[in-house]
Amino acid sequence: ILNVEQSPQSLHVQEGDSTNFTCSFPSSNFYALHWYRWETAKSPEALFVMTLNGDEKKKGRISATLNTKEGYSYLYIKGSQPEDSATYLCALTPSGNTPLVFGKGTRLSVIA
Amino acid sequence: KAGVTQTPRYLIKTRGQQVTLSCSPISGHRSVSWYQQTPGQGLQFLFEYFSETQRNKGNFPGRFSGRQFSNSRSEMNVSTLELGDSALYLCASSPRRGNEQFFGPGTRLTVL
Repeated sequence: ILNVEQSPQSLHVQEGDSTNFTCSFPSSNFYALHWYRWETAKSPEALFVMTLNGDEKKKGRISATLNTKEGYSYLYIKGSQPEDSATYLCALTPSGNTPLVFGKGTRLSVIA
Repeated sequence: KAGVTQTPRYLIKTRGQQVTLSCSPISGHRSVSWYQQTPGQGLQFLFEYFSETQRNKGNFPGRFSGRQFSNSRSEMNVSTLELGDSALYLCASSPRRGNEQFFGPGTRLTVL
């Protein structure tokens, strides 16, 4: 059974702080790594899909890096805002036609 | 484009009953996946349908079943409901298997 681990489980930061969290996965089973943001009472929304070792993706103040050789991805949020409060999920696609395997998420609360 | 829709949004059932949940994917999306979210757990994969065929199935008992119609709409059925089936059930669609998934708002099922 593939295990995708996310840390920390939850995080409280002040508005304006920068923060980052980690997604770890088995490096031997890798096709793609997805990051999703899930705000309360909304649907999970895709942030990034990353496939290549060394990939870096950016969307506004949020960026992500990928290391497939050591099996981890980092998600960074620069200058956190209250609207960034959400659960951030990562998911591994082990191969092209296999289902996503989700981590349990990191719950971020940004205090104004 | 309209997003993924799920009906009903909320449902209350009693133990032993059965339930059918419906998912309409984004127009043109042929892959539909179902997930279960319970407190403290990540998204647990239930099944994936593509071109009316179940392509992958998660580790759930046979009480959980699904199907996909020719218009890509999908239903999942849970028979002989148990208290532990209380969860948020999410449906996600994508244009091709293994791609970024677009999630619906979910159906919140409560089993009493």
